Amino acid sequence: AQSVTQLDSHVSVSEGTPVLLRCNYSSSYSPSLFWYVQHPNKGLQLLLKYTSAATLVKGINGFEAEFKKSETSFHLTKPSAHMSDAAEYFCVVSDSTGFQKLVFGTGTRLLVSP
Amino acid sequence: KAGVTQTPRYLIKTRGQQVTLSCSPISGHRSVSWYQQTPGQGLQFLFEYFSETQRNKGNFPGRFSGRQFSNSRSEMNVSTLELGDSALYLCASSLLGGTAETQYFGPGTRLLVL
Repeated sequence: AQSVTQLDSHVSVSEGTPVLLRCNYSSSYSPSLFWYVQHPNKGLQLLLKYTSAATLVKGINGFEAEFKKSETSFHLTKPSAHMSDAAEYFCVVSDSTGFQKLVFGTGTRLLVSP
Repeated sequence: KAGVTQTPRYLIKTRGQQVTLSCSPISGHRSVSWYQQTPGQGLQFLFEYFSETQRNKGNFPGRFSGRQFSNSRSEMNVSTLELGDSALYLCASSLLGGTAETQYFGPGTRLLVL
């Protein structure tokens, strides 16, 4: 079965510094991977997704992620954090059963200080 | 294009009662999925519907059920509510429910069971 592990429950950065949110996946085949963001009391918004095309995926709001099969990783990065980036981020893998079922990581809370 | 809408946004029930939550997908989307989000268990898949048929189901007891109508709108029902059912229930829609498709999430229904 597919699974994802988010290596940090909390990440704290200063505004203007780089962001790195780490995610490792487990899958017996080439997976579809996603990063979603959830702001307080809001639903989930897709940041980016990987579906076996380019390994470097660019998303919204300056975020990007690189799929590394050899390391089974899909880390999320942003060159410069903004206060509005403070939120919970979820790494997600799509289940392989053929019909849509997302398997979520436990989430990483990003804190951005001025 | 309007996003996924969920009603009601907030709900308070007592143990033993039942509850029905509603989800309207993005126009043209035929796949609707439901997820439960709790602090302890995180985000977990409940079920997915396509063309009024349940195609996929998560590991939840039979008290959790759902249905989809011919206009793709979906409802989920929880009978004999327990305190542990208190959660944010998220609905998501996609065009056909393929594993690589993006799911678009609604704002959720927050259920509190007393």
